[in-house]
Amino acid sequence: AAGVIQSPRHLIKEKRETATLKCYPIPRHDTVYWYQQGPGQDPQFLISFYEKMQSDKGSIPDRFSAQQFSDYHSELNMSSLELGDSALYFCASRPLGSSYNEQFFGPGTRLTVL
Amino acid sequence: DAKTTQPNSMESNEEEPVHLPCNHSTISGTDYIHWYRQLPSQGPEYVIHGLTSNVNNRMASLAIAEDRKSSTLILHRATLRDAAVYYCILRDWGGGADGLTFGKGTHLIIQP
Repeated sequence: AAGVIQSPRHLIKEKRETATLKCYPIPRHDTVYWYQQGPGQDPQFLISFYEKMQSDKGSIPDRFSAQQFSDYHSELNMSSLELGDSALYFCASRPLGSSYNEQFFGPGTRLTVL
Repeated sequence: DAKTTQPNSMESNEEEPVHLPCNHSTISGTDYIHWYRQLPSQGPEYVIHGLTSNVNNRMASLAIAEDRKSSTLILHRATLRDAAVYYCILRDWGGGADGLTFGKGTHLIIQP
């Protein structure tokens, strides 16, 4: 079965650089979520999109922005990177139908900031 | 979201049942109880969810207390592949597009 695709899988950046993470949801999934998981930490919700509109916002820094495109893929843009941004970034998607609550997670992008 | 409390870790033997408890004494009437797990080096994975009645699926069973202030995830026959961090999460019924609030889950260790 198709799964959530995230790219790149690994990314190394220097401090103060920018990074763009991409998420391709499962076909016929219209909601996308972004999570950040620091080393030894539990996943923290950043932001979500439903039908290309921002739906919910968590602890996303102002340096980060995200959007969902017409084909439902999403991008997380991160600027002025800091050492503390080093983490696993997971994208999840949810099927069409507002009553369906299960989220399907991708394999994650590991971002290392040097 | 209402808060959940889980033990930090639990240990069980392979092929034995595992009961993972979760307390959620401030649960509201419209909160669903969800369980996710995260295997090492993977993204979280949905396990099961329920509202009031006990639920079964191919992965596990969910037993919900009558007052809904606690629940138990039951793995009927644990395997080494079930070693993971298990998260109990409350979600409002209308919050499908809302993010999940992961608390401190239970680290399940399976001994061969």
